[in-house]
Amino acid sequence: DGGITQSPKYLFRKEGQNVTLSCEQNLNHDAMYWYRQDPGQGLRLIYYSQIVNDFQKGDIAEGYSVSREKKESFPLTVTSAQKNPTAFYLCASSSRPGQGGEYGYTFGSGTRLTVV
Amino acid sequence: QQPVQSPQAVILREGEDAVINCSSSKALYSVHWYRQKHGEAPVFLMILLKGGEQKGHEKISASFNEKKQQSSLYLTASQLSYSGTYFCGTDQGGSNYQLIWGAGTKLIIKP
Repeated sequence: DGGITQSPKYLFRKEGQNVTLSCEQNLNHDAMYWYRQDPGQGLRLIYYSQIVNDFQKGDIAEGYSVSREKKESFPLTVTSAQKNPTAFYLCASSSRPGQGGEYGYTFGSGTRLTVV
Repeated sequence: QQPVQSPQAVILREGEDAVINCSSSKALYSVHWYRQKHGEAPVFLMILLKGGEQKGHEKISASFNEKKQQSSLYLTASQLSYSGTYFCGTDQGGSNYQLIWGAGTKLIIKP
């Protein structure tokens, strides 16, 4: 079955460490996204990519970095510059709209990152 | 630019109805609705396109008023499984198909 796989499900980071969250999709979607979700809050866009080797900053990109070397993969690195990284991170992908103009986002199951 | 969702939270008894609204100050191409259960990923419910029809999915339906740039999600005869946070995502058109998300509406269904 097609879908998005995020790993790990839980991740603990020490102060000053960089950590990388994995996101892989086999839906053949062009666009991929990273969101941060804090308790009781909505989705805030960190980075997005619409094509391989190209990505754009979202609303809260500071302290994060991404790469898009393959269509299927869009890893997110949380750097030590991100001072408050404890949050739930969601990866999503979407296709281009179909003939009727419809499309939707598919989300991964998320990674819960905690600073220890 | 972020769409405004209302109410922020609602508590219902099983079998009652609910309406969740999503309003934008910008002209919209489409509105998407998703439901997220605690600790899980959001799940796609439906998309409403500009000029399109009202959508329905079991006892969950939605409408899109293009003049007001507002969408409403209707939950009829709510079931316990409807509990969760409902998000609307708005698409203002253009070439990047990027959604802007509302803050969410938390729905609690009690038996």
